[in-house]
Amino acid sequence: DTGVSQDPRHKITKRGQNVTFRCDPISEHNRLYWYRQTLGQGPEFLTYFQNEAQLEKSRLLSDRFSAERPKGSFSTLEIQRTEQGDSAMYLCASSLPPGTASNEQYFGPGTRLTVT
Amino acid sequence: AQRVTQPEKLLSVFKGAPVELKCNYSYSGSPELFWYVQYSRQRLQLLLRHISRESIKGFTADLNKGETSFHLKKPFAQEEDSAMYYCALGGGADGLTFGKGTHLIIQP
Repeated sequence: DTGVSQDPRHKITKRGQNVTFRCDPISEHNRLYWYRQTLGQGPEFLTYFQNEAQLEKSRLLSDRFSAERPKGSFSTLEIQRTEQGDSAMYLCASSLPPGTASNEQYFGPGTRLTVT
Repeated sequence: AQRVTQPEKLLSVFKGAPVELKCNYSYSGSPELFWYVQYSRQRLQLLLRHISRESIKGFTADLNKGETSFHLKKPFAQEEDSAMYYCALGGGADGLTFGKGTHLIIQP
């Protein structure tokens, strides 16, 4: 296991198109998080899952954003009808649950989205 | 609302000089504070967390609840410390709240 992986690493799309990103967490981690990072800012929390349950989604930026983790393993983040303002780095992280001895979040390399 | 403030966007110090990266937070509950680091072309990684009270790569950070601060310090900077440093706040069931980051440059 080489850590959290994300695919694709880069995505260029035209405004109005839909895009989907995939995140594969560390295998024994049951928590999975999505963040967005724009230029000059720190990562901004979007949503997270514990196993297949999405426990927080009110921080998703709009109803164009949705995330799934159907079998409690990998997750996908979809953005519908992309806008230029969606251009950013999308980061995924995974962790063991809180209360575990080491529940730090491990980050993936990110997917850089450019909307033209 | 949770908030993390890192007042310095850029900090440049000479090799061997002390380093202090500032972080202040706003949170009504019992906070968990972290420092994450991102070296050039690498992913974000945890540097240290306040509950472990460790020294990692010579860095330490003490949580000061009275001043709501969690400043990162190192007595003698090394060139390999050049990176982006992010202070982050946890403590709730949600994800982390990050500051905007400080770009640390260690000059030879």
